[in-house]
Amino acid sequence: GIQVEQSPPDLILQEGANSTLRCNFSDSVNNLQWFHQNPWGQLINLFYIPSGTKQNGRLSATTVATERYSLLYISSSQTTDSGVYFCAVRGGADGLTFGKGTHLIIQP
Amino acid sequence: NAGVTQTPKFRILKIGQSMTLQCTQDMNHNYMYWYRQDPGMGLKLIYYSVGAGITDKGEVPNGYNVSRSTTEDFPLRLELAAPSQTSVYFCASSYSIGGGYTFGSGTRLTVV
Repeated sequence: GIQVEQSPPDLILQEGANSTLRCNFSDSVNNLQWFHQNPWGQLINLFYIPSGTKQNGRLSATTVATERYSLLYISSSQTTDSGVYFCAVRGGADGLTFGKGTHLIIQP
Repeated sequence: NAGVTQTPKFRILKIGQSMTLQCTQDMNHNYMYWYRQDPGMGLKLIYYSVGAGITDKGEVPNGYNVSRSTTEDFPLRLELAAPSQTSVYFCASSYSIGGGYTFGSGTRLTVV
């Protein structure tokens, strides 16, 4: 099946810093999504982005499908951005395949 | 509009017991999914459904069963619970195969 690798696995930043999270995938995809899992375990869909660039407030994402990677940018980090960020992709007709996530800690 | 609702939120089972995790969505989504998340890991697909009456296995289906008699409901059945099934279970839905997912709040299951 399709492989998803996320980097870095862990990231600790000060409030106000910017960060870039990366997602590499092993095959062509028809669906790519970024999720934030907050410290209470809730999964929130951030972006549906199989290709191109999207922005939502301080967050933006870019997927270069031909080169099989996606980037999630977080600017002016806040403590509420802490949690785990997952990239998930689908290459066929079944559900999304998730990476292992990037654990982000924003310190005040 | 409640989105995706999962019950119960927490459950402790003894080895060999069985239970059903409930999942219901009110968004008229055709596609529904069950995932499990083990500590420090990403989510793994257990089963999915592309519409009422149609289900298919995901990556880790052993020890589980599902049914989809209505568009709204997609229950997950555990038979003969084992310690390896201790995990957090998430149900999700999407409007189309290429659409964004909406997740439920999860069920934390411990098998002792």
